[in-house]
Amino acid sequence: NAGVMQNPRHLVRRRGQEARLRCSPMKGHSHVYWYRQLPEEGLKFMVYLQKENIIDESGMPKERFSAEFPKEGPSILRIQQVVRGDSAAYFCASSQGIATNEKLFFGSGTQLSVL
Amino acid sequence: EDQVTQSPEALRLQEGESSSLNCSYTVSGLRGLFWYRQDPGKGPEFLFTLYSAGEEKEKERLKATLTKKESFLHITAPKPEDSATYLCAVQAPNDYKLSFGAGTTVTVRA
Repeated sequence: NAGVMQNPRHLVRRRGQEARLRCSPMKGHSHVYWYRQLPEEGLKFMVYLQKENIIDESGMPKERFSAEFPKEGPSILRIQQVVRGDSAAYFCASSQGIATNEKLFFGSGTQLSVL
Repeated sequence: EDQVTQSPEALRLQEGESSSLNCSYTVSGLRGLFWYRQDPGKGPEFLFTLYSAGEEKEKERLKATLTKKESFLHITAPKPEDSATYLCAVQAPNDYKLSFGAGTTVTVRA
C-alpha cells in the first residue's frame, strides 16, 4: 500500500529552465495539495486540486507557476523560468475526501535547487 | 490571515526528561488544529487533530492539548527516536488549506 509518491527527490535546474515536479497520491485518494517549505520557514500552501479541477490556487504565485491533476496520471507542479528564490522543498499531500478535517498524507518531497 | 507561532524553535532534552512544546494561533474560527512530526528529508507525518478547547489526545509518549488560543504538545519521558521537528497547523472553517507554524526541532540525547 504505497504512500504518496513524489519524484524526483532532488532536482537541479539553472536559472531560466523549467522544473516539473510529479506527485502520485495514495491509492483511492482524489484530492491533492501542494505545499512549499523554505529553510527556517513553515510549510506554505500553494494549490489544491481534484481530478481535472483546480479548486484553490490562492497560494500559488500568479506567474511562472502552474499545476494540474489530469484524469490519468500524476499531479504535476510546473515552474517555468526558475529563479534562485524558487529553491525550496516542495511537498505534495493527498486525502480521500474534501479537505476539511481530513487527515493529509504527505510525500517525501522534491528538493529543488536553482543554480 | 491565520497565524501560527511555535516555541521554542529548538529543544534539546536528555532521555527521560519530559517537556512541552507550545503552539499559539490566531484564526477566524477554528475548524481544527493539527500536529505533525517531520523527520529530516521526509514529509510531515500526521499525529493528532484537535477540534475544541479542552480536548486532549494521546499517542505513546505524546499528549496534545488545546485551549482557545494555544495548543501544547507534551512529551513524557522522551526517547532518542522522538527526535524530530514537530509542526503545528490550523485550519479555518470553509478553508482547504492548513496554515503551518515554523516548527520546533526536538533533539533527545541518550
